[in-house]
Amino acid sequence: KNQVEQSPQSLIILEGKNCTLQCNYTVSPFSNLRWYKQDTGRGPVSLTIMTFSENTKSNGRYTATLDADTKQSSLHITASQLSDSASYICVVRVEYGNKLVFGAGTILRVKS
Amino acid sequence: SAVISQKPSRDICQRGTSLTIQCQVDSQVTMMFWYRQQPGQSLTLIATANQGSEATYESGFVIDKFPISRPNLTFSTLTVSNMSPEDSSIYLCSVEAEWDQTGGHIQYFGAGTRLSVL
Repeated sequence: KNQVEQSPQSLIILEGKNCTLQCNYTVSPFSNLRWYKQDTGRGPVSLTIMTFSENTKSNGRYTATLDADTKQSSLHITASQLSDSASYICVVRVEYGNKLVFGAGTILRVKS
Repeated sequence: SAVISQKPSRDICQRGTSLTIQCQVDSQVTMMFWYRQQPGQSLTLIATANQGSEATYESGFVIDKFPISRPNLTFSTLTVSNMSPEDSSIYLCSVEAEWDQTGGHIQYFGAGTRLSVL
C-alpha cells in the first residue's frame, strides 16, 4: 500500500534554531517527492521537489534531502523564523496514473 | 502559476443540509481536484473534475454525496450533500498547472473551506 509517514507529528522550537522534519514513504513506483508548507487557513504551497536522482534541493532556508534507497526524505529549516510556523506536508507522486500520496504533516511552531 | 479563489472560506451548517463550495482559477486548466483534509490527517482526494465530462470519484466517495460541476475550464463546484457531523473537515480545490523541471505538473491549492456540521 502506498503510504507516506511523517515525524514528528508536532514540534516547538525557539526562533533562530534549526530543525529537521522526517518523511518515510513506501510509494512505488516513485516519480517525485515534494515538500509543501501550509499556513493556517491557507492551502499548501510547494517548497521543493525532488526526483529519484536528486539527493539535495534547497530553497532559501529550506533544504530537502532524499535517499531513494531507504525511501526517506528530510526537510531542514535553518535559522527558523516566526513565519515558519505552519504545517509541513510531504507528498509523493506515483509514476503512472498521476496520483499523489500525502503525509499527515508535521506542525511546526516557532516561539520567540 | 495559478491563483485559486475558493468560497466560502468557512461555514457552519446544520445536519441534513447541503453546502456548495466554489472554486475559481485565474487560468484555464484541464483537471481540477477536490480534496478533504480532516483534522490531523492527510489530504484525501475526493474526485477529479474534467470539463465536459463526469467527475471521477475515488474509493469511498460517491456522486450522490459529493456532486461536482465543471461547467468551464476555470470553474468548479463541490456540493456536500445531506451533511452529518462526520463531514466536518477542510475541503480544498486544487489544479495542476505548468510543467516543472522533472516533467511533472506543479500543483496549486486553494485556501480551503472549513466546514463544521452541527
